[in-house]
Amino acid sequence: AQKVTQAQTEISVVEKEDVTLDCVYETRDTTYYLFWYKQPPSGELVFLIRRNSFDEQNEISGRYSWNFQKSTSSFNFTITASQVVDSAVYFCALSEAFSGNTPLVFGKGTRLSVIA
Amino acid sequence: GAGVSQTPSNKVTEKGKYVELRCDPISGHTALYWYRQSLGQGPEFLIYFQGTGAADDSGLPNDRFFAVRPEGSVSTLKIQRTERGDSAVYLCASSLVGEDGELFFGEGSRLTVL
Repeated sequence: AQKVTQAQTEISVVEKEDVTLDCVYETRDTTYYLFWYKQPPSGELVFLIRRNSFDEQNEISGRYSWNFQKSTSSFNFTITASQVVDSAVYFCALSEAFSGNTPLVFGKGTRLSVIA
Repeated sequence: GAGVSQTPSNKVTEKGKYVELRCDPISGHTALYWYRQSLGQGPEFLIYFQGTGAADDSGLPNDRFFAVRPEGSVSTLKIQRTERGDSAVYLCASSLVGEDGELFFGEGSRLTVL
């Protein structure tokens, strides 16, 4: 069984604060992908990152960074110096195979509100 | 357009009616997905097409739901005898083969069953 848990339903921060969105996953596979997607008010999910299960290196892209820890089955997402434009619902997701375009299993999302 | 296009953006229907939702993927994307998103939830997988064939339809909730992609491009999700529980946003996504999980989503079709 595969499951993604995002325990934080909603988070509010003041602009320029750092914020971390938590993601915990469950899978019996040894090979899998983890993802983060952003869903702004327009509704269109936007791909942010894909990480494979063999690569535990943290990744940084501008103000975004991701921390993957297999020991705790977590893939957390940090936004540094948040901006109002970061306000959105963020989804963590999992897919359980490398071969083929297997479906994603999404968490319930975390709604981030960045206040000016 | 450059992105995934879904029509209609909003559909209100009565219980028991038939509805069709259309998805026009990004040109050249052979993989196409349908997901359903209920309020406050993450997207739930319905069906995946590789070209014209349904490679995985394990997410369709029952036989009232059906999807086609006859020419390997545009797809239609069909829902028969709609029920109030079918109310949700239906999301379509497309991707290139090999780009596992890097999906390009449309803005969705919001279905409301009265």
